[in-house]
Amino acid sequence: AQSVTQLGSHVSVSEGALVLLRCNYSSSVPPYLFWYVQYPNQGLQLLLKYTSAATLVKGINGFEAEFKKSETSFHLTKPSAHMSDAAEYFCAVSGAGTASKLTFGTGTRLQVTL
Amino acid sequence: DGGITQSPKYLFRKEGQNVTLSCEQNLNHDAMYWYRQDPGQGLRLIYYSQIVNDFQKGDIAEGYSVSREKKESFPLTVTSAQKNPTAFYLCASRTDGLATNEKLFFGSGTQLSVL
Repeated sequence: AQSVTQLGSHVSVSEGALVLLRCNYSSSVPPYLFWYVQYPNQGLQLLLKYTSAATLVKGINGFEAEFKKSETSFHLTKPSAHMSDAAEYFCAVSGAGTASKLTFGTGTRLQVTL
Repeated sequence: DGGITQSPKYLFRKEGQNVTLSCEQNLNHDAMYWYRQDPGQGLRLIYYSQIVNDFQKGDIAEGYSVSREKKESFPLTVTSAQKNPTAFYLCASRTDGLATNEKLFFGSGTQLSVL
């Protein structure tokens, strides 16, 4: 069984401020972890993924996330927010098997203000 | 350009009516998925197919049906048995292999509403 908890359904930051979106996971097998971004009325786009290699993962658009097994966390960060980062962000977990399903969190909507 | 095409972008259903959402991919992907997205609930898996002529129920399959007659196509039918069909529906696909879910591509979605 696997699950994802995203803390905070809405996060608001000022332009230029640090972005921190929280994700905690539960998995009975070594997890693969993902962050996706969704812009309004569009599909999801992969930001970054952890697949048991380096624990600090760098993704597109300046985002990165760190896998911390002891804390069962995979928080998403960006040093300086930009207006174009405003979107909904989803954390997801899966196992490594070919038949493993992807389980999504409930999403965090990021608002960026001037 | 390769990608996943979902149509229509907006769809309205009358009471008791079946409607079909289209999903086509030209990525030569083996596996295809249908997700339902409701506000505040994230994405929930409806059906998935790992190979032509085979598909499995996801977490919320009741009231839905699918077919996979061609590798490129995975249409979803929302039947009259689905009492709360209003949602945003997303189709996704991936190539098969050991690195599961690493290359999951999403379509741009269909918003289904009830008249």
